[in-house]
Amino acid sequence: GAGVSQSPSNKVTEKGKDVELRCDPISGHTALYWYRQSLGQGLEFLIYFQGNSAPDKSGLPSDRFSAERTGGSVSTLTIQRTQQEDSAVYLCASSPRSGPETQYFGPGTRLLVL
Amino acid sequence: ELKVEQNPLFLSMQEGKNYTIYCNYSTTSDRLYWYRQDPGKSLESLFVLLSNGAVKQEGRLMASLDTKARLSTLHITAAVHDLSATYFCAVAETSGSRLTFGEGTQLTVNP
Repeated sequence: GAGVSQSPSNKVTEKGKDVELRCDPISGHTALYWYRQSLGQGLEFLIYFQGNSAPDKSGLPSDRFSAERTGGSVSTLTIQRTQQEDSAVYLCASSPRSGPETQYFGPGTRLLVL
Repeated sequence: ELKVEQNPLFLSMQEGKNYTIYCNYSTTSDRLYWYRQDPGKSLESLFVLLSNGAVKQEGRLMASLDTKARLSTLHITAAVHDLSATYFCAVAETSGSRLTFGEGTQLTVNP
């Protein structure tokens, strides 16, 4: 079956602009996660959704970052007023439910802020 | 705060040799994951270890978990070039679902 998909695959933006990153989880997966991967910081957790609610958003680095999930499926991560330090690969993962299930990762969105 | 440490961070080995990657973590957990990442690609799940003493094997890779020592190992047997990749361990705190990742071990298998 189809895996986790993300779009766009690459995004180049200018400092100060807003960006939206999209994640389509595996069908039927109720848990959805956002992480980012950068050279300096490694892999960091950002936010976790169970259904449409976000029980854990403690990893969002600033109030410029927000995310939503609608219909228990697609999620959008929005970064407002982007900064150069936001440049990273943003990875989305999903699992059948929260807990001990494997998290399946999407291909990521590579964001470059100039 | 949960900390996850891997060692070594870089490993260059010859085909046919055996080696072990270590993953230590700092707080109680009974859920540990190993992932593989090829350059420019996403993370591929290798193993999920859910209990003390758990051992799983797939091909030339074997993972184990000792929750008392807060240690997991990924053992590579008779390495082949196709195993060249970065390997990450990740730990979930018992009370939550977020994963905390180690720094990754970049493995290069030389012919």
